Amino acid sequence: GAVVSQHPSRVICKSGTSVKIECRSLDFQATTMFWYRQFPKQSLMLMATSNEGSKATYEQGVEKDKFLINHASLTLSTLTVTSAHPEDSSFYICSARGRLAGSSYNEQFFGPGTRLTVL
Amino acid sequence: AQKITQTQPGMFVQEKEAVTLDCTYDTSDPSYGLFWYKQPSSGEMIFLIYQGSYDQQNATEGRYSLNFQKARKSANLVISASQLGDSAMYFCAMREGPLVEAGGTSYGKLTFGQGTILTVHP
Repeated sequence: GAVVSQHPSRVICKSGTSVKIECRSLDFQATTMFWYRQFPKQSLMLMATSNEGSKATYEQGVEKDKFLINHASLTLSTLTVTSAHPEDSSFYICSARGRLAGSSYNEQFFGPGTRLTVL
Repeated sequence: AQKITQTQPGMFVQEKEAVTLDCTYDTSDPSYGLFWYKQPSSGEMIFLIYQGSYDQQNATEGRYSLNFQKARKSANLVISASQLGDSAMYFCAMREGPLVEAGGTSYGKLTFGQGTILTVHP
């Protein structure tokens, strides 16, 4: 079964509003979470990396005031797209890294993604 | 410089035949991992296979095998006996740094290639 969940799976909003996307690791503690953005038929582009309890590290070109990331607990990270505009419409995928029970090393698991459409 | 390169934007294969999806990489780190993911139209990323830089043998997982040629820095994915359900986008990815992380410290982000859209014809 899925080990990483994302909510919502799909969101449509008006330009200028803020949208929050949640990413949860199920049954394991995620020491690190990653947020990716994907445009249609293109690759996944890493936006930021966050470790629990510390500030996210943003990739070059990603506006940290635009894309707020909070990794408040070992099982939850949120991405807030502030004042969303049509060009922010994209598929946002989170990924969580941690150890499943019985495993001796960290693995990385992907959430199912959130499709954001800004009108 | 591009770290992961997939030169085939699209590939077509007949059902039940084998297909090879190309992937080349660039790194100066002696320790790295190579991954292949499948992304169907639903968008979920499905992990297929992993190859560590120190692994002596090519990785295999069911119908998937990884043709790892370290000197050429290539990690091609071979899908045998293609099925209609294999139609999807396939991504090669690399993570630099060792897989086993001492002390729980996490590092080494995944870098993805451009992807290859595979279409399986009946």
